[in-house]
Amino acid sequence: DVKVTQSSRYLVKRTGEKVFLECVQDMDHENMFWYRQDPGLGLRLIYFSYDVKMKEKGDIPEGYSVSREKKERFSLILESASTNQTSMYLCASSEPGQGYGYTFGSGTRLTVV
Amino acid sequence: GESVGLHLPTLSVQEGDNSIINCAYSNSASDYFIWYKQESGKGPQFIIDIRSNMDKRQGQRVTVLLNKTVKHLSLQIAATQPGDSAVYFCAVTGGGNKLTFGTGTQLKVEL
Repeated sequence: DVKVTQSSRYLVKRTGEKVFLECVQDMDHENMFWYRQDPGLGLRLIYFSYDVKMKEKGDIPEGYSVSREKKERFSLILESASTNQTSMYLCASSEPGQGYGYTFGSGTRLTVV
Repeated sequence: GESVGLHLPTLSVQEGDNSIINCAYSNSASDYFIWYKQESGKGPQFIIDIRSNMDKRQGQRVTVLLNKTVKHLSLQIAATQPGDSAVYFCAVTGGGNKLTFGTGTQLKVEL
């Protein structure tokens, strides 16, 4: 089975801190994605990557950056955490091309205080 | 851009009844559709998918129906069980490799 592993299930950070969320997949997938999930808003795409060192902005990239130095790892960075970034963060990976579903990690619930 | 909407935020069914969860999409060029199940505290899990050249696909206790004419997708769960309680999302292909997700329907199974 494809495994997408997010390093933390729960995180509590202070306003202004730099936060790193890590995601690793073990099936050599080309594509990786970061979403945030909020009640009533569904899944919103933050950033995605189709290849190593490649990144593209999603629908809500403000306040976030990403890093993909290795194919299996996609990191989400909150440069200066704010309370409105309190959310569930989901990482996903997929094969390239249309017609492939995503495999999701278990999520990281981030609280910014 | 693509938009995906689910018709009901919450659906309550009795154990043993059939459940139907609906989804509407806007992009007539979408050609791949997926249903995900998300249990509390977990990431979404793949349930079943369907391509645009089909109008029905069956899995174990689940059936997905696709009506491209009205851009409507539904998930049917037969003999709903307590373990089916979760949030269900539809997802459709938009542009490139990306999926667009609906906001989810919370399925509650009453004993």
